[in-house]
Amino acid sequence: DTEVTQTPKHLVMGMTNKKSLKCEQHMGHRAMYWYKQKAKKPPELMFVYSYEKLSINESVPSRFSPECPNSSLLNLHLHALQPEDSALYLCASSQRDQETQYFGPGTRLLVL
Amino acid sequence: GQNIDQPTEMTATEGAIVQINCTYQTSGFNGLFWYQQHAGEAPTFLSYNVLDGLEEKGRFSSFLSRSKGYSYLLLKELQMKDSASYLCAVRDLVNRDDKIIFGKGTRLHILP
Repeated sequence: DTEVTQTPKHLVMGMTNKKSLKCEQHMGHRAMYWYKQKAKKPPELMFVYSYEKLSINESVPSRFSPECPNSSLLNLHLHALQPEDSALYLCASSQRDQETQYFGPGTRLLVL
Repeated sequence: GQNIDQPTEMTATEGAIVQINCTYQTSGFNGLFWYQQHAGEAPTFLSYNVLDGLEEKGRFSSFLSRSKGYSYLLLKELQMKDSASYLCAVRDLVNRDDKIIFGKGTRLHILP
């Protein structure tokens, strides 16, 4: 299995909603990442988990809350988002931290 | 600090060859990645260079010169499906931690 999966594919939420994005990989990778990507821009790193511990938080607002329940799963909990948070949210994994990353298909998020 | 430069857009003709350049300035260079990203899709890994020289993979080759802070991605026998953004990403050692930094990407348009 050489795939990173993400659910849902699309998500529309209001500014008062609470939702979660999910990411899963079964490649035995020990590093997982969340990126945010706006149209025609490169991915912006949000969080890195290495061996299930948060190793990098790129000064992301607290309305985004990551969680790594085990080595295969990565969640991103969303609460009280703003319209400017609308973007493609990409999950990636790598064998170890900062090695070649394999990306999931992303969740396209729209905040109304 | 870090700086990664690549052209914003390029146009080439089907069947031709195109070279996408990337220059970088980092404090602790530790490798360079190239990713391809089709519109609305996730980035996919193309190549990784850490030593000087040329790495060839089918129609795609990647070159690195560490002394010049320079890399290029060479695409031969261009096909319409090669229309995509090409992201240069540098692995930089920052405060004893590796970090991957993406360039802004080069949008490549292939004309028939």
